[in-house]
Amino acid sequence: EDQVTQSPEALRLQEGESSSLNCSYTVSGLRGLFWYRQDPGKGPEFLFTLYSAGEEKEKERLKATLTKKESFLHITAPKPEDSATYLCAVQDYGQNFVFGPGTRLSVLP
Amino acid sequence: DSGVTQTPKHLITATGQRVTLRCSPRSGDLSVYWYQQSLDQGLQFLIQYYNGEERAKGNILERFSAQQFPDLHSELNLSSLELGDSALYFCASSLGGVGGYTFGSGTRLTVV
Repeated sequence: EDQVTQSPEALRLQEGESSSLNCSYTVSGLRGLFWYRQDPGKGPEFLFTLYSAGEEKEKERLKATLTKKESFLHITAPKPEDSATYLCAVQDYGQNFVFGPGTRLSVLP
Repeated sequence: DSGVTQTPKHLITATGQRVTLRCSPRSGDLSVYWYQQSLDQGLQFLIQYYNGEERAKGNILERFSAQQFPDLHSELNLSSLELGDSALYFCASSLGGVGGYTFGSGTRLTVV
C-alpha cells in the first residue's frame, strides 16, 4: 500500500529564513510525485510534478527535489504570503493517488 | 479560477437529510475525483469517475454515492447525514488518470 508522510507537521519561520519541508514515501512504482499548496478553506493548488530521482523543479521561492525515497520542498527567503499548508502526493502505476497529511507553514513578518 | 467549478460553496443542513454536490470539470478533462477533508484531517479520497464510468473507490461510505453524466459533470450524493459528515468536499479533475489534478474551491457542508 502506498504511503506518504510529511515532516514537520507545522513550521514557523521568520520572513527571509530559508528552510525545507520533507515528504517521505513508499510506493509500488512511482509514476509521479506532486506538491500542492492549500490555503485555509480553499482547494489545493498544483505546484510541481516530479517523475524521477534527481529531478528538480523551481517556481519563484520554491524548489522541489526528488530522491528514490523522499522529496524536499525548499523555500528560499520566504515571505508571509507563502504561509499555507503544503501537501505532497504520490501516484503509482495503478494510478492510485495518495496525499500526505501536509505541513502547515507560517511565515512571520 | 482553476477551471473546476463546484456548487454550492456552502451548505447547511440537518441530520438525516440528503444533499447533492455538483462539480463541473476543467474543459477537456475526462476524470473527476471526489475528496473529503474534515477539520484536522488530510484529504480522503472518496471516488473517481472516468468518462462516465466509475474507475476507483476509496473510503466512501455506503450512504454516499456519485455519478458522472454524459456532459462529464459529476454529482456527489450524501444521504442520512450525520454530524460527522461536516467537512469540505473537493472535486478535482484531470485529463486521464495520470498526472496532477486540478482542484475546485470546494463545498463546505455543515450538518446541524
